Amino acid sequence: QQPVQSPQAVILREGEDAVINCSSSKALYSVHWYRQKHGEAPIFLMILLKGGEQKGHDKISASFNEKKQQSSLYLTASQLSYSGTYFCGTELRTGANNLFFGTGTRLTVIP
Amino acid sequence: GAGVSQSPSNKVTEKGKDVELRCDPISGHTALYWYRQSLGQGLEFLIYFQGNSAPDKSGLPSDRFSAERTGGSVSTLTIQRTQQEDSAVYLCASSLSIRGGNYGYTFGSGTRLTVV
Repeated sequence: QQPVQSPQAVILREGEDAVINCSSSKALYSVHWYRQKHGEAPIFLMILLKGGEQKGHDKISASFNEKKQQSSLYLTASQLSYSGTYFCGTELRTGANNLFFGTGTRLTVIP
Repeated sequence: GAGVSQSPSNKVTEKGKDVELRCDPISGHTALYWYRQSLGQGLEFLIYFQGNSAPDKSGLPSDRFSAERTGGSVSTLTIQRTQQEDSAVYLCASSLSIRGGNYGYTFGSGTRLTVV
């Protein structure tokens, strides 16, 4: 039930772009994205509810392909503040009412 | 309160002792969740509450773990006869409703449990 994230880690220079992928083997109701900085609580970024939906949050956006049970997080023109571990959380279409989180993608942005 | 409050923030306990972890969710949030995060790992689901009811306890790792929620507010996660493998950060989160809604989960800062 746990989604699979890729890549596990990525290092970017300021201004570069990155894509983080999240894939589930189960039919999904929604996908959440969170960012966690070291020693801090995960912070909610966005939720995608419908297949094909895309959302943006500053220079961070995401898409959700319901048929493929996949979501991608896009970080463009990365800033130092984007560093952290990104988690996708998936809500299943049937059954459990909690999020199942991936193992995370550690993003490091360097000057 | 303004956010999700967890206490204690750090707990060191001897193997075999019982511990209680407390979570005070955002006022009005009906859903409350407990997760466990081991060093460098993802978030492992433990249990969730809808109101005071916990419909699914299958995520609890063993019968040494239990949780309750009273008054639709504060929740306590209890670990009996702690083992070294219980060492982790225990995160609590709350949301306005099951399914997270448009605002997702709000997490507390966690309780770092170390079993020695």
